[in-house]
Amino acid sequence: GENVEQHPSTLSVQEGDSAVIKCTYSDSASNYFPWYKQELGKRPQLIIDIRSNVGEKKDQRIAVTLNKTAKHFSLHITETQPEDSAVYFCAASFSGGYQKVTFGTGTKLQVIP
Amino acid sequence: DTGVSQNPRHKITKRGQNVTFRCDPISEHNRLYWYRQTLGQGPEFLTYFQNEAQLEKSRLLSDRFSAERPKGSFSTLEIQRTEQGDSAMYLCASSLLSTRPEAYEQYFGPGTRLTVT
Repeated sequence: GENVEQHPSTLSVQEGDSAVIKCTYSDSASNYFPWYKQELGKRPQLIIDIRSNVGEKKDQRIAVTLNKTAKHFSLHITETQPEDSAVYFCAASFSGGYQKVTFGTGTKLQVIP
Repeated sequence: DTGVSQNPRHKITKRGQNVTFRCDPISEHNRLYWYRQTLGQGPEFLTYFQNEAQLEKSRLLSDRFSAERPKGSFSTLEIQRTEQGDSAMYLCASSLLSTRPEAYEQYFGPGTRLTVT
């Protein structure tokens, strides 16, 4: 089955700096890669996703890159703000099937004002 | 509220008791998923329904766990003879079977936090 590894497990940045979270996946059939943000005590919420036919996607201060050959993808947050502080999960799935999503172990991001 | 809802939000039970959780997905969504999340970990897939059919079960789902979606709408997850190791957040998510790209997204409910004492 799919295995998703995520690094780092914790990340502290100064407000205004950039944050980068990296993930690798094992199943070359995976073709959909969502990123979820989970604030303490709340549900995971999708913040951005990328499909395997695209190498990069950007939405305001958030961008995701995908390298299918190396089987890794990354989340980039620029101009970080205190409200970006949360746990971020990467995930991988194969959309042609029943869309089972395999999550990474999470990165706790702390943005220091 | 048009989002995914789960009840109860919190459940404290004694070891050996049975518990049942309910998930109400977004009304037009035909796919429903159950996940378990322990502290410091990402959600782990438990099982998946497409309409009323349960199409996949994780090896994590022991014989003490059973899930149903009898009419293809709400779903229940029952844990029999609970153990302390069952303590976790149980998350439900739903999505729409469609060729539209936005259908890939799974919408999560707020979860049911189970504590087994």
